[in-house]
Amino acid sequence: DAKTTQPTSMDCAEGRAANLPCNHSTISGNEYVYWYRQIHSQGPQYIIHGLKNNETNEMASLIITEDRKSSTLILPHATLRDTAVYYCIVRYAIMYSGGGADGLTFGKGTHLIIQP
Amino acid sequence: SAVISQKPSRDICQRGTSLTIQCQVDSQVTMMFWYRQQPGQSLTLIATANQGSEATYESGFVIDKFPISRPNLTFSTLTVSNMSPEDSSIYLCSVEGHQNTEAFFGQGTRLTVV
Repeated sequence: DAKTTQPTSMDCAEGRAANLPCNHSTISGNEYVYWYRQIHSQGPQYIIHGLKNNETNEMASLIITEDRKSSTLILPHATLRDTAVYYCIVRYAIMYSGGGADGLTFGKGTHLIIQP
Repeated sequence: SAVISQKPSRDICQRGTSLTIQCQVDSQVTMMFWYRQQPGQSLTLIATANQGSEATYESGFVIDKFPISRPNLTFSTLTVSNMSPEDSSIYLCSVEGHQNTEAFFGQGTRLTVV
């Protein structure tokens, strides 16, 4: 799986949009970009994923650059409950991984702190 | 979605003993994954457990230290054997969704070895 690079930590004011960057310059054409977050003392939680098109769901938006070498997770209206470590993970689609799911390779992530 | 229950949620154990962690899923899944999260660190995959076959371990993890059982499609156990203080970590169970598009995690087992 391709390696990802994220800032160690970020601050964001409550109510503002939180924009979390991720670099994945060695991503291959068959690899998806996934985002998870881990709130303190909890297991990781899936947020969103995408291949090349921008994606949006009820939690966040994912913007992937045209060359797919970087992406940005956007939390449109951050709340205090969004304080967590956010992980950007690149992985193959199941059809390209021999038919079975692989475990996730977690980097260090970004510790997002939402300030009141 | 999948709901995962892990037991125990936390434990304090004496060095040299073993602890078995249970993971129960509310639906049948092909593969279950076990992760370790050392204090202040990210998650590291220990092994992948398929029902009916031996678990596949990642580099740095061995079956004698972390034996895994997978008796059916909704349950798995991870044993941390002959524990030392270095085994103090959070151990997490995970499964893939039915569409294999997202992973679900249990709340973890916080293990302290004294």
